[in-house]
Formats: sequence, structure tokens, C-alpha cells
Amino acid sequence: AQSVTQPDIHITVSEGASLELRCNYSYGATPYLFWYVQSPGQGLQLLLKYFSGDTLVQGIKGFEAEFKRSQSSFNLRKPSVHWSDAAEYFCAVGAFTGGGNKLTFGTGTQLKVEL
Amino acid sequence: NAGVTQTPKFRVLKTGQSMTLLCAQDMNHEYMYWYRQDPGMGLRLIHYSVGEGTTAKGEVPDGYNVSRLKKQNFLLGLESAAPSQTSVYFCASSYPAGQGEQYFGPGTRLTVT
Repeated sequence: AQSVTQPDIHITVSEGASLELRCNYSYGATPYLFWYVQSPGQGLQLLLKYFSGDTLVQGIKGFEAEFKRSQSSFNLRKPSVHWSDAAEYFCAVGAFTGGGNKLTFGTGTQLKVEL
Repeated sequence: NAGVTQTPKFRVLKTGQSMTLLCAQDMNHEYMYWYRQDPGMGLRLIHYSVGEGTTAKGEVPDGYNVSRLKKQNFLLGLESAAPSQTSVYFCASSYPAGQGEQYFGPGTRLTVT
């Protein structure tokens, strides 16, 4: 069964600083990987996804993530954080079979941005 | 195009009461899902459906039932609510294959006292 680990529960960065959120996954086959963002009181919004091909994927809001098979990682990055990026971020791995496209989520990383 | 909508947004139940959460999507997605979100635990899959008239258990199905009578709707029922079911419930939908991206509703915050 697949699993996702987000080792950082909380991260605080200053506005304008760079950001990296860590995600490690466990999956027996080629993974489908996602990053979602959740603002307070809201649902989840997809930031980016990796299915195959180029291991560096670009997403919305200036985010990118790099798939590293050798490290079983899919870390999320942003070169310059804005105060509006404060939210909770979830990494997920997908198992796409005829029985449903089931996602397994990590426990999330809460991002605080200091002005 | 409203995407995925959930009704109600908030609800307070007493232990033993029943209720149904409604999820509706207007994207013609085949697959639909119910998750619960608890602090420090991320989202966990309760039940899912791969098409009208079909449902299947996810990771934490106990205490919940679901129905998918129409392609656009996915209902989550609690027959006898327990305090352990206090949570935020999210519905999602997706196409069967290809991209597989799930689209989420805004959530229902349920408190069981």
C-alpha cells in the first residue's frame, strides 16, 4: 500500500524568502504525485501534479516540484514566498486502477509567512 | 459551472442522531469520493464510487454508508452519529483515468456532541 510522509508539521518563512516543503512517498510502481493547498475554511486546490516525463513540474501561483525517484521524494518549492501563500499544504500519491483513482495524503505542512 | 458543491456547510448532531451529507458535481465525472479530515491526520478516504449505482469502501468506512443513485450526486450517511465522527468532510470527483486529478468541494464541518 502507498504512503506519504511530510516530515514538517509547521514551517515559518519570511515574505520574499524561498520555500521548500518536503514530501517522501512509498509506492511499489511509478507514482502519480500531487501537491494540494488548503486555505483556512476552504477545500483543497491542486497546485501541481506529476504523472510522467520531465521530473521538474510547474504549477500555479509560482510553485514547482521535483520528482526524485532515487530519493522517493517530491518536494515543493517556491523562490519567493508571498504572505498570501500562508496555508496548509498536502502531498498525495495516487493509485490509479480500475477500482478508483485513490489518493493517499500526507498529514500536511502548515506554512506561516512572517511579514 | 459550480464544480463540486456540498450541503450543508455546518451541522451539529447529538450522539445517536442520523444525517445525510450531499455532494453534487457538474463536471460529468465518473468517480466520486468522500474523505474526512482530522487535525494531524491529513485526509482519509471513507468511501468512493466509480460510477452510478456503485460504491466501495475506503480506508475508514465504519459508521458510514453511501449511495450514488445519480451520476452527479454522492450521498454520505451517518445512521447513528458518534463523537468520534466529529470532523470536516470533503467530497471530491475525478475522471476515471488519464489525469486522475481530484476536484474538491468546500467541506462540511460536523460536530457530534
